[in-house]
Amino acid sequence: DAGVIQSPRHEVTEMGQEVTLRCKPISGHDYLFWYRQTMMRGLELLIYFNNNVPIDDSGMPEDRFSAKMPNASFSTLKIQPSEPRDSAVYFCASSLPTAGGTQYFGPGTRLTVL
Amino acid sequence: AQSVAQPEDQVNVAEGNPLTVKCTYSVSGNPYLFWYVQYPNRGLQFLLKYITGDNLVKGSYGFEAEFNKSQTSFHLKKPSALVSDSALYFCAVRGSYNAGNMLTFGGGTRLMVKP
Repeated sequence: DAGVIQSPRHEVTEMGQEVTLRCKPISGHDYLFWYRQTMMRGLELLIYFNNNVPIDDSGMPEDRFSAKMPNASFSTLKIQPSEPRDSAVYFCASSLPTAGGTQYFGPGTRLTVL
Repeated sequence: AQSVAQPEDQVNVAEGNPLTVKCTYSVSGNPYLFWYVQYPNRGLQFLLKYITGDNLVKGSYGFEAEFNKSQTSFHLKKPSALVSDSALYFCAVRGSYNAGNMLTFGGGTRLMVKP
């Protein structure tokens, strides 16, 4: 299996622009998670899905952030409009629905907002 | 609510010496415990987990962790450290009463192994 795939790996944009991050989970994994990692705040869970349905989005910072999972093999995290404080590494992870299911992480997208 | 504490921001050890990275947790129900490693500019990589059974869990790259229920701890260990083990290590937990598969991660411990 190719593992969790994220694109792009790096994104540089200007403040006010729309940014879309993409994720393809491991085939057969019913759970999908979006995290953000910064030096100041560490690793934060933004939102997670079960069977394509958002379950908990309490970690989404504000209305500028939105996430969708239109099917079992694809999810997007969108920031509109982007701000410099959104600069971070964004990770996607997926897991099986079993008790104690291991989350497997993608390589991340490094976002820089100028 | 569930929480994880990694009390050390950084652990320094000489190559060849044993290493320990500490983790304590708080959950409702039985704990499912995980260790991940992150190398520079990479995603988190799964090392090992405790779900049930033997308290000593063996994982990748010679790492092991010991589950201690009375002390609510799950310390990561390795008998002989390598320079290549230098990385950021995360402990994570999920309680069996937690309906989703959501993990709570600790703040991370940076391991520095010096030659």
